[in-house]
Amino acid sequence: QSALTQPPSASGSPGQSVTISCTGTSSDIGTYNYVSWYQQHPGKAPKLIIFEVSKRPSGVPDRFSGSKSGNSASLTVSGLQAEDEADYYCSSYAGSNNLGVFGTGTKVTVL
Amino acid sequence: EVQLLESGGGLVQPGESLRLSCAASGFTFNIYFMNWVRQAPGKGPEWVSTISASGGTTYSADSVKGRLTISRDNSKNTLYLQMNSLRADDTAVYYCAKLDSSAYSFDSWGQGTLVTVSS
Repeated sequence: QSALTQPPSASGSPGQSVTISCTGTSSDIGTYNYVSWYQQHPGKAPKLIIFEVSKRPSGVPDRFSGSKSGNSASLTVSGLQAEDEADYYCSSYAGSNNLGVFGTGTKVTVL
Repeated sequence: EVQLLESGGGLVQPGESLRLSCAASGFTFNIYFMNWVRQAPGKGPEWVSTISASGGTTYSADSVKGRLTISRDNSKNTLYLQMNSLRADDTAVYYCAKLDSSAYSFDSWGQGTLVTVSS
């Protein structure tokens, strides 16, 4: 099972929006609505920010939103803030032999 | 508050063994599936293994089958990863993570423990 494909980097100025894509296959994103997104600051553990494509855990700002179309998913961060600068990883369920295939990661820079 | 605290990482030589532990608190440990997820330096996370709430069923990535074994002791609220025949490509930070089984998402993570395999 190959990793999901994400762009290596994305950037935006404070207050702007940035959208990160995540491309998988018909074996993962294309079949299951179990797409998650994780935010990771340097030296820290990943933190769940989106689950089931577009749902936010308690405490995650509504500036973070997710969507899915076909074999791809997207994360949009609106109203960029300095603390949003981090690495972002998508993940998808891909069956009992792979409960979580992760993306290659996108580094978001707030200019 | 969910807390997951990994321990047991370190520097080992290729072919050696190591056992990681993850002490859980702040939630009812014995009703949740638990996982190990690893992250090699500069890379994205990689799912390693999952164990059911009772411990009776396990799932593992093909890359670790036969070498890395997940287990749990619900009486001690502790998750384990027995790592045998370690290879250089097992070098990573190993995270213990709680699974939201209804969403197949990892909703809580420990701080991680570093395993380095090198001669």
